[in-house]
Amino acid sequence: DAGITQSPRHKVTETGTPVTLRCHQTENHRYMYWYRQDPGHGLRLIHYSYGVKDTDKGEVSDGYSVSRSKTEDFLLTLESATSSQTSVYFCAISLAGRSYEQYFGPGTRLTVT
Amino acid sequence: QKEVEQNSGPLSVPEGAIASLNCTYSDRGSQSFFWYRQYSGKSPELIMSIYSNGDKEDGRFTAQLNKASQYVSLLIRDSQPSDSATYLCALNTGNQFYFGTGTSLTVIP
Repeated sequence: DAGITQSPRHKVTETGTPVTLRCHQTENHRYMYWYRQDPGHGLRLIHYSYGVKDTDKGEVSDGYSVSRSKTEDFLLTLESATSSQTSVYFCAISLAGRSYEQYFGPGTRLTVT
Repeated sequence: QKEVEQNSGPLSVPEGAIASLNCTYSDRGSQSFFWYRQYSGKSPELIMSIYSNGDKEDGRFTAQLNKASQYVSLLIRDSQPSDSATYLCALNTGNQFYFGTGTSLTVIP
């Protein structure tokens, strides 16, 4: 599992509340990614990071922000959760020198009511 | 047009047969191609990566890439019931990654 953990694993929250999901890795990988997975849409990239304090937007970044203050932690924040952000969120890392092969964490199931 | 297109299936094959999964993509600048397997309720796991035209074999799996036709495929030989899963095609274009919606495969004992 490339030493990736995600927390929480499940969360139910109300519309309009802020939510932060955490991805933690133990193997000092430079590249980290946040995806969401929804039926009919597959996996879609939200944000990615190529180092501490270096982040960039993916395909579906609206409504999400990220931070990476330490190599091992990549945080995804929903500033004001909406029902359309109900999804399964996966964190992934890339191994250095392996040309973008990605390895995924166990996922967080988020429900916004 | 989606960046990556896959037939959603379901695809059913008998045990021991060859399963053939296909994927087309729209951006000719795509550089790297990947196949992931995802069991229900689990995270995707990498099966194969392929970067140049031709075939790449790893055990019972063979990935095929044809950049001229913008086509990637995955063959699973001697299919086993444990291969029953959803298979995701993925690629990267620059720093962006795109996944297909997946093909559901069922291997019938």
